[in-house]
Amino acid sequence: GQNIDQPTEMTATEGAIVQINCTYQTSGFNGLFWYQQHAGEAPTFLSYNVLDGLEEKGRFSSFLSRSKGYSYLLLKELQMKDSASYLCAVSHDRGSTLGRLYFGRGTQLTVWP
Amino acid sequence: DGGITQSPKYLFRKEGQNVTLSCEQNLNHDAMYWYRQDPGQGLRLIYYSQIVNDFQKGDIAEGYSVSREKKESFPLTVTSAQKNPTAFYLCASSIIVGGGSRTYNEQFFGPGTRLTVL
Repeated sequence: GQNIDQPTEMTATEGAIVQINCTYQTSGFNGLFWYQQHAGEAPTFLSYNVLDGLEEKGRFSSFLSRSKGYSYLLLKELQMKDSASYLCAVSHDRGSTLGRLYFGRGTQLTVWP
Repeated sequence: DGGITQSPKYLFRKEGQNVTLSCEQNLNHDAMYWYRQDPGQGLRLIYYSQIVNDFQKGDIAEGYSVSREKKESFPLTVTSAQKNPTAFYLCASSIIVGGGSRTYNEQFFGPGTRLTVL
C-alpha cells in the first residue's frame, strides 16, 4: 500500500519562506506531484519530480529524494493568495493501477499579513 | 477551450434517493477518475477508468457506481447504499504518457460538485 504523510497545518507571514514536507512509503514509485487547492475549488498542478533534486518554478520549488522517500515544496515571498491546501501525491506504475495518484491529506497553509 | 466540466456545482438530495453526477472532458484524455473529499481529508479515490468500457474500483467504491460508454464522459451515481454521501466530489482526467517507470500522469481536475443529502 501507500503511506503518504504531510503536516496538517502551517502558518507563515507575508513575504516569508515556508517549506512543506511530504514523506512516502510505496512500491513502484513513479514520481511525485504537488497540487494547490483553494477552499471549495479544484486542485491545480504546481510541480512534478521524478528524479532526485530541486525543480524551481518562479516562487515555488520542489525537491525530491527517492532514497529517503521525501519531498518538500518551498514557497518564497509568500503572498496572501498562497493561503490554500497543498496536496502531495505519489504516482504508481504497476499494472492496473497505472496512472493512479495517491494523495496525502494535504497541508493547510495560512499566510498572515 | 479544453477542460473538464462537472455539473451542477451544488446538489441537494433527499436521503434514500440515487443521484448522478456528471463529468465531461474534451482534453482527449484516456483516463478519468472520481474522488471524494471530506473536511480535513485528502482526496480518496472512488472509481477510475483507463479506457472506454472499462473501469476499476478505487479505495471507497461501496455505494457508488460508474459507467464509461464514451471517452469524454464518466458519470458517477451515488446510490442510496452510500451511508454518508454528503461530500465534495471531484472528477479528474489524465493522459498516460509512456509506461512503467517512465509514466507521466498529471491529473487535471474539474471544478467539483458539492453534494448535500438531507
